[in-house]
Amino acid sequence: GAVVSQHPSWVICKSGTSVKIECRSLDFQATTMFWYRQFPKQSLMLMATSNEGSKATYEQGVEKDKFLINHASLTLSTLTVTSAHPEDSSFYICSAHQTYEQYFGPGTRLTVT
Amino acid sequence: QKEVEQDPGPLSVPEGAIVSLNCTYSNSAFQYFMWYRQYSRKGPELLMYTYSSGNKEDGRFTAQVDKSSKYISLFIRDSQPSDSATYLCAMSAFGGSQGNLIFGKGTKLSVKP
Repeated sequence: GAVVSQHPSWVICKSGTSVKIECRSLDFQATTMFWYRQFPKQSLMLMATSNEGSKATYEQGVEKDKFLINHASLTLSTLTVTSAHPEDSSFYICSAHQTYEQYFGPGTRLTVT
Repeated sequence: QKEVEQDPGPLSVPEGAIVSLNCTYSNSAFQYFMWYRQYSRKGPELLMYTYSSGNKEDGRFTAQVDKSSKYISLFIRDSQPSDSATYLCAMSAFGGSQGNLIFGKGTKLSVKP
């Protein structure tokens, strides 16, 4: 089956620093990947749609200059949280599109101190 | 009113019980309905995908959609302790590949041996 990986699985950083999260489709190529954020006891909220070779499309309310997305290849998308603040602490999950379905990565837990 | 409402539980049942999980929605444009299972600190895993009213069965799982009532259900027969997880419903007007998935908050299920 389709497998999506994320790295790192857990990261702690200091306020004001930047953190990069990688999302890889391991056994298929994905022209489109999605980034979600999930706060405790809340729904997954779509942040942005990442398209290979073009700019990401951000959902309303998501700062594109703060959450930088790069989809450099058909198997890799990265999310960089710039100048992180404690309120950015959350569970970040990516997914990749194959045919009619989305396959989710295991998530990255970000804690900003 | 939120677009998708899902009782967060927690729901605790004995092993072997039939479990019923439900979501209601308000947007009549939703045409595609999904159920995901999410284990703690992991990404969601697709369980069922339907796009029409009626029932769809897969092993111990049955997904039911009633578009006239804007109500979907997931039934789990002969529940097992390994079914203990959070179950998320998700919906889309455009199909699961489009990223326009609207998730419920998830219902936390615990199956006791």
